[in-house]
Amino acid sequence: AQSVAQPEDQVNVAEGNPLTVKCTYSVSGNPYLFWYVQYPNRGLQFLLKYITGDNLVKGSYGFEAEFNKSQTSFHLKKPSALVSDSALYFCAVRAHTGRRALTFGSGTRLQVQP
Amino acid sequence: EAEVAQSPRYKITEKSQAVAFWCDPISGHATLYWYRQILGQGPELLVQFQDESVVDDSQLPKDRFSAERLKGVDSTLKIQPAELGDSAMYLCASSLVGRTQNTEAFFGQGTRLTVV
Repeated sequence: AQSVAQPEDQVNVAEGNPLTVKCTYSVSGNPYLFWYVQYPNRGLQFLLKYITGDNLVKGSYGFEAEFNKSQTSFHLKKPSALVSDSALYFCAVRAHTGRRALTFGSGTRLQVQP
Repeated sequence: EAEVAQSPRYKITEKSQAVAFWCDPISGHATLYWYRQILGQGPELLVQFQDESVVDDSQLPKDRFSAERLKGVDSTLKIQPAELGDSAMYLCASSLVGRTQNTEAFFGQGTRLTVV
């Protein structure tokens, strides 16, 4: 079985400060990892993904994520937060083989204060 | 930019009534997913199609839920009869079929269902 844990229900950060949203995963074999963002009453928007290779992945809107195999983590980061980054963030995992659908974490609400 | 289309955006129905949701994936995307997202939780897979065939419906409550994708393009998800616990956001997503499973899924805006 594959699973994702997002240990923080909410992350608060001041505008201009760096942000980190944590994610750990469990999957058989090597993972494909994804981050999505959701705004109120909207669907999920793709931010970035890790497939293989460089552990630091860059995505949309200045976000990046760092894959750490030994810690089974894929934390989302941004050097300087914007108020408009306030939203719900989901981490998701899929194994290289077997079940194809993404398994999502429970989400982390990011609140960026002006 | 191509999008996944879903309708309706909002639906209020009485319990024990039937309700249906429609999804039109991005053109050329062979894989289609229906997810359910309960408020405050992450999306959970209900059913996955590859073209017109069901790949995974292990989490679909088959006594009341049904899904079809007759021509391998658009899809309908039906609930009959609806229960209060079915109140949630129903999300449709699609993705390309590649040699590997590294392709991301693209989501529609969702249908917010309220059962009263």
